[in-house]
Amino acid sequence: GAVVSQHPSWVICKSGTSVKIECRSLDFQATTMFWYRQFPKQSLMLMATSNEGSKATYEQGVEKDKFLINHASLTLSTLTVTSAHPEDSSFYICSASPGQRNSPLHFGNGTRLTVT
Amino acid sequence: GQQVMQIPQYQHVQEGEDFTTYCNSSTTLSNIQWYKQRPGGHPVFLIQLVKSGEVKKQKRLTFQFGEAKKNSSLHITATQTTDVGTYFCADAGGGADGLTFGKGTHLIIQP
Repeated sequence: GAVVSQHPSWVICKSGTSVKIECRSLDFQATTMFWYRQFPKQSLMLMATSNEGSKATYEQGVEKDKFLINHASLTLSTLTVTSAHPEDSSFYICSASPGQRNSPLHFGNGTRLTVT
Repeated sequence: GQQVMQIPQYQHVQEGEDFTTYCNSSTTLSNIQWYKQRPGGHPVFLIQLVKSGEVKKQKRLTFQFGEAKKNSSLHITATQTTDVGTYFCADAGGGADGLTFGKGTHLIIQP
């Protein structure tokens, strides 16, 4: 149980275009989902907390107008990287928990974004 | 979440040797979680420690939470090639925020 599905697994896009990444909780409802970013050989950095039915909470230094988050239902959150640039190339991972706050997280498989 | 310091960043061991990674915080942690990320994969939850001085075992893995709840360790006995990956500790922070991850320890095993 507690499966989180993320799509696409990888994407290559041209500079200036936008990319949407989907994160779904397949067998549980998630009022909160988390979006992380990971550079090669580095740790996971929390970008934002996605809240169902309300605005996302962004971490300091993360541009909310660039990384648009929509959490329209209890099983789906989307992250849109707008006007992507090569420096946005990274591994983006979503996570959610079927449990209460501070419960262990289940991660999606991640999306490797390459901006050319 | 609070900042957790994790060492070492890299650890090379011969297969069969033991391995330990350490996490430290300057402030008290509400609970600490450990995750493993295989190369090219996503983090997978291993265990959560909540109580002061808690010790938990999973086969060859031993997890400890310090008495003051400011440090934690993961020890692997007799490493195997399947243990390769990056081990992260993570602080739940006690709030609604996502986890704050340590920098991770990359375990490299030489056969």
